[in-house]
Amino acid sequence: NAGVTQTPKFQVLKTGQSMTLQCAQDMNHNSMYWYRQDPGMGLRLIYYSASEGTTDKGEVPNGYNVSRLNKREFSLRLESAAPSQTSVYFCASSESGGLLAPKYNEQFFGPGTRLTVL
Amino acid sequence: DAKTTQPTSMDCAEGRAANLPCNHSTISGNEYVYWYRQIHSQGPQYIIHGLKNNETNEMASLIITEDRKSSTLILPHATLRDTAVYYCIVRSGSARQLTFGSGTQLTVLP
Repeated sequence: NAGVTQTPKFQVLKTGQSMTLQCAQDMNHNSMYWYRQDPGMGLRLIYYSASEGTTDKGEVPNGYNVSRLNKREFSLRLESAAPSQTSVYFCASSESGGLLAPKYNEQFFGPGTRLTVL
Repeated sequence: DAKTTQPTSMDCAEGRAANLPCNHSTISGNEYVYWYRQIHSQGPQYIIHGLKNNETNEMASLIITEDRKSSTLILPHATLRDTAVYYCIVRSGSARQLTFGSGTQLTVLP
């Protein structure tokens, strides 16, 4: 099992450009998440998908859109990148979105995408 | 979710036990304590979680005080590879997200 994979690993964009960050998991998890991490700070939730076909805003959703393409894949799109979106982006998945016992809520994280917006 | 307070940094000698404290004085009855760690440039990794009782797994032990207002993560025999930022997170069983604070930078010294 590869776990959670993310592409690309690194990306440099110019202000106003668009791009999509890809995430896939092979653990048959129901829930998936997108976080961002700025230097010296903890992770902040951007969007999450509790199950296939559903998405919800997290703490910092402005400037982003998401698509839960199927159970395996959850993509994050920046329509018009801004320097404030320079960050490391982490995708995560969990068996449950919180509706079951906490042991099913353990989140598994991908290796991250390092995005720089000039 | 309740807020947590952790020391900014700690050092530990290799082979010794690392004890990482966390205060969560506003924790409510249905909230669990979770610990994750993040090794430099990698995604966070789940370590352990608990509600009331002490918990132990292959990675660590979690000691929760009787009043549940604080907890301690114990790495029994720290190695250099345990150098990481350790996050203490409090969340309810039905919460959908993890709220990460600033965590504790643990440095294991040779």
